[in-house]
Amino acid sequence: TQLLEQSPQFLSIQEGENLTVYCNSSSVFSSLQWYRQEPGEGPVLLVTVVTGGEVKKLKRLTFQFGDARKDSSLHITAAQPGDTGLYLCAGEVDSGYALNFGKGTSLLVTP
Amino acid sequence: DAGVIQSPRHEVTEMGQEVTLRCKPISGHNSLFWYRQTMMRGLELLIYFNNNVPIDDSGMPEDRFSAKMPNASFSTLKIQPSEPRDSAVYFCASSLRDRRGNSPLHFGNGTRLTVT
Repeated sequence: TQLLEQSPQFLSIQEGENLTVYCNSSSVFSSLQWYRQEPGEGPVLLVTVVTGGEVKKLKRLTFQFGDARKDSSLHITAAQPGDTGLYLCAGEVDSGYALNFGKGTSLLVTP
Repeated sequence: DAGVIQSPRHEVTEMGQEVTLRCKPISGHNSLFWYRQTMMRGLELLIYFNNNVPIDDSGMPEDRFSAKMPNASFSTLKIQPSEPRDSAVYFCASSLRDRRGNSPLHFGNGTRLTVT
């Protein structure tokens, strides 16, 4: 059973479009992290959200942590080909120590 | 900062052979993690160490898998004997964990293992 469910699994859009990807769970997380992974490389941290309801912006990327700390979303405005990659969410449960990862959303942005 | 260094980058071996994957974490980090990534199952945590001590190895699939961390700058993941279903990308990651938690992971570029 996957602790974190990400949707959609695949997304193909054109440059300039907006998109939102989701990360959902029935568990409460003390924090949630978003990573981006490019082919042949390891995941790289984008952001960490800690407080329920928190919103963080990273240039054209907006991350939101749900009020109950069970879910999160990532919104990208005016997507660019450089945004192409696998977006992974990862959560640390209150009693846990290591991060549990979702399967990711594979994003393709075409010119 | 050299980052997390993994070797080899690619490993092709025959079923039944022993495979050893190596990892050098970022200097000063106190936690080390081994993950396995496949299309079907995504990133799965195999084992993690804190201050060189294994904390949780419940993700290790079978007794064929073993991991060691003899010192703060080196870890190995060994598969003996290897099987075709072990084919995957194996990632090592390290972090500096403090009392607050929320420590970001720094990943290596992985070892792509193919067992024929």
